[in-house]
Amino acid sequence: KAGVTQTPRYLIKTRGQQVTLSCSPISGHRSVSWYQQTPGQGLQFLFEYFSETQRNKGNFPGRFSGRQFSNSRSEMNVSTLELGDSALYLCASYGGGPSTDTQYFGPGTRLTVL
Amino acid sequence: GDSVTQMEGPVTLSEEAFLTINCTYTATGYPSLFWYVQYPGEGLQLLLKATKADDKGSNKGFEATYRKETTSFHLEKGSVQVSDSAVYFCALIRHNNNDMRFGAGTRLTVKP
Repeated sequence: KAGVTQTPRYLIKTRGQQVTLSCSPISGHRSVSWYQQTPGQGLQFLFEYFSETQRNKGNFPGRFSGRQFSNSRSEMNVSTLELGDSALYLCASYGGGPSTDTQYFGPGTRLTVL
Repeated sequence: GDSVTQMEGPVTLSEEAFLTINCTYTATGYPSLFWYVQYPGEGLQLLLKATKADDKGSNKGFEATYRKETTSFHLEKGSVQVSDSAVYFCALIRHNNNDMRFGAGTRLTVKP
């Protein structure tokens, strides 16, 4: 099975711009979660989508949003970028069953905000 | 709220040394526990997991036992290799809640 894929792998944006990141889960997986990884804050949960619905949300401002399509692919959007949004953004997919199922991570998108 | 605390790094060992990375957690109920590994420039890879008390997860020579009484899930390996150099993350997830909580990560460097 192909793993979780994320595009693009690298992005450079300037403050005030917006950005959209994409995640394709493992085939058959219905849940996609997004995480932000920074040296200072570590790995933090952004949100989770299941069957096109946001099921859980972390403690991030409304500038961070996401969606999921009928094929389970997910996008996250960050509007009005700030310098502090520079991070590695990881998505993870799993089957969508009991949460003890393993989450499989993609390679991440590294976002740099100048 | 739920949280994971793991020993601060960096940890530097010689090849074939014994490895322990401590991990303790705080959570309501009975979470599932995980160790993930991150190699430079890559995402997280699942190393092992345990879903209930006294379960032992193991993979590639690494082991960790879910200890409910001490709320711990320490990672061990009897003989590390240079290729084990990476950052290791302890994590938990509660049933019916897919908000996975991670520790801060421990960077391991193994020298030949």
